[in-house]
Amino acid sequence: EAGVAQSPRYKIIEKRQSVAFWCNPISGHATLYWYQQILGQGPKLLIQFQNNGVVDDSQLPKDRFSAERLKGVDSTLKIQPAKLEDSAVYLCASSLGTGNSPLHFGNGTRLTVT
Amino acid sequence: GDSVTQMEGPVTLSEEAFLTINCTYTATGYPSLFWYVQYPGEGLQLLLKATKADDKGSNKGFEATYRKETTSFHLEKGSVQVSDSAVYFCALSKAGGSYIPTFGRGTSLIVHP
Repeated sequence: EAGVAQSPRYKIIEKRQSVAFWCNPISGHATLYWYQQILGQGPKLLIQFQNNGVVDDSQLPKDRFSAERLKGVDSTLKIQPAKLEDSAVYLCASSLGTGNSPLHFGNGTRLTVT
Repeated sequence: GDSVTQMEGPVTLSEEAFLTINCTYTATGYPSLFWYVQYPGEGLQLLLKATKADDKGSNKGFEATYRKETTSFHLEKGSVQVSDSAVYFCALSKAGGSYIPTFGRGTSLIVHP
């Protein structure tokens, strides 16, 4: 089966600019996650979708981050305006949506904010 | 809330050495436990999982046993290879409701020839 696709792979922007990341999950996976992984740390959940509804976004900095999942398939994560501390790898993952279901991750987007 | 604690890295071993990476968890109910591996430049991928107490997950020579009495899920391998060099993440999730998968901070493994 095709894996989770993410783009772009790398992005360099200046602070206060905006950026968007795209994710296409594995076909049939109802649950989609966006994680932020800062160097040397574990993934931190930003937002979790079940189909096209938000399950949890309690750790999403809503003043600058937004995410949507149109038609319950693809998803985009946007940052506007970016700050230096947003430099990280942004990982998208999908799963079937049960507690036993493992997450399938994309290769991530490495964001550098200068 | 739920949490996962992993041993600090990096763990540095010679090829064919025995590996243990400790993981303990705090959670209500009966979580499923996972080990993920992240190779350089790649996303995380599932290594193994266990869904109930005393289950043993295994894959690629790695093993971990779900110990409810010690709330642990330690990762072991009898003989590591250079190709096992990666970052290993312990994680938990729970069935039912709006569960949120929780990850540890990761343990870097470096294997020298």
